[in-house]
Amino acid sequence: QKEVEQNSGPLSVPEGAIASLNCTYSDRGSQSFFWYRQYSGKSPELIMFIYSNGDKEDGRFTAQLNKASQYVSLLIRDSQPSDSATYLCASPSGGYQKVTFGTGTKLQVIP
Amino acid sequence: GAVVSQHPSWVICKSGTSVKIECRSLDFQATTMFWYRQFPKQSLMLMATSNEGSKATYEQGVEKDKFLINHASLTLSTLTVTSAHPEDSSFYICSASMDSSYNSPLHFGNGTRLTVT
Repeated sequence: QKEVEQNSGPLSVPEGAIASLNCTYSDRGSQSFFWYRQYSGKSPELIMFIYSNGDKEDGRFTAQLNKASQYVSLLIRDSQPSDSATYLCASPSGGYQKVTFGTGTKLQVIP
Repeated sequence: GAVVSQHPSWVICKSGTSVKIECRSLDFQATTMFWYRQFPKQSLMLMATSNEGSKATYEQGVEKDKFLINHASLTLSTLTVTSAHPEDSSFYICSASMDSSYNSPLHFGNGTRLTVT
C-alpha cells in the first residue's frame, strides 16, 4: 500500500464551482501534509500545508485534515481555468524532510 | 524567501556523455537537498537525499555510480548523470526545505528536462 494515495482523475468541474481533492494516508504517525500544484511540464509549487486537525483557509483554498480517518483534502472555491493542473498531496516520512508524494489528481476546470 | 534555483532548465546530450545539473538555495542554507525524477504522466520519485559534507543517500533501485551527487556547500548540490542513455531522459527536480521541522515544506527548483539522443 502506498503511503499517500490520491485518485488520479481527471476531476472536471465547471468554472466557478468548488473543486474537492482528496488524499488518504497510511502512516498514523504522519504529522503534516502539503498540497502542491504542478502545471504540465513544470515543477511543483506549494499551495498549502496543514498539520492540525480541522480546516485551514488561504484565499480560495481550504485544506482539511482528519487524523482519525487519515485523510486530507483540498477545496478550491470559485474554480478558474487557471487552476487546471495536477495537485499533489505529500507528507514527510522516514524522517521529517523525506517527503512522500501521492500520484496526484488532475483537475480540469471547464470554462 | 525559500527560493531554489536549478540549472540548466533543459539539456540535450548524446548517449554515453555526462550531464551535470546544479541546484542552489538562494536565500537560505540547506544542509539537505533532495533530487527527484519524474517521467511523463507519473508522480515524483525520490532518487536521493543530498547531505552537505557527506555521502548522499540513494533510494532503492537508483544507481549511485550513475547518478553522482555532490553537496559541497550549504547552498549547492549537483547531480551528474554519467554515461547517459535514452532511458535516462526525464524531468529532474531538486528541492530543499528551510529547516528540518516536520511542518517545513519542500521548495522546488524549476526542474531540468534531460533528453538523451
